[in-house]
Amino acid sequence: EIVLTQSPGTLSLSPGERATLSCRAGQSVRTHLAWYQLKPGQAPRLLIYGASSRATGIPDRFSGGGSGTDFTLTITRLEPEDFAVYYCQHYVNSRAFGGGTKVEIK
Amino acid sequence: QVHLVQSGAVVKKPGASVKVSCKASGYTFPNFGISWVRQAPGQGLEWMGWISAYNGNTKYAQKFQGRVTLTTDTSTSTAYMELRSLRSDDTALYFCARDEIYGGSPPFDYWGQGTLVTVSS
Repeated sequence: EIVLTQSPGTLSLSPGERATLSCRAGQSVRTHLAWYQLKPGQAPRLLIYGASSRATGIPDRFSGGGSGTDFTLTITRLEPEDFAVYYCQHYVNSRAFGGGTKVEIK
Repeated sequence: QVHLVQSGAVVKKPGASVKVSCKASGYTFPNFGISWVRQAPGQGLEWMGWISAYNGNTKYAQKFQGRVTLTTDTSTSTAYMELRSLRSDDTALYFCARDEIYGGSPPFDYWGQGTLVTVSS
């Protein structure tokens, strides 16, 4: 099974700052990589799929990049509602999630 | 409008089995798959398995192989997840999510509301 490693574990930033989250795969997942946002008491929300395509209704301050084994999720200007936990996930053959990155208010 | 509605919270004893349902509406059920994901208290997201609502093909995470069974009923557009030999560390919030089949659509674009399964003696 392909293992996904996310870094950092926690990102402490202020509203308006830029957030850059990393996800590394143990072997190539091509562009079969998605990002999700998870808030307490809610179901996860799909943000990015195909490594760089924004899901329906996702603001353009969210962007994804990368291919193969190295991926990034960038939030250009953090809004108050963006403070949450973010997970990457691959979907080549099976699926698996990374361990998550918590974006917290500094 | 796509909706996935899951069955309600349950409490089970260790060693028992649980079966969670996920009723889909608002789309053509056989055109997509369903994946199951859980989140234990204080932990991250964990993928359990996938089923094609077209032909019933399944894929399971190695960790759950032999202990989980995914099924669908296309007559009612409902997916089911059965987990056997429950342990205390199976206590978690279980989600279903609409998934792709052949790469023609985004994965996990719609989610159920979650079902809390508590395993306690």
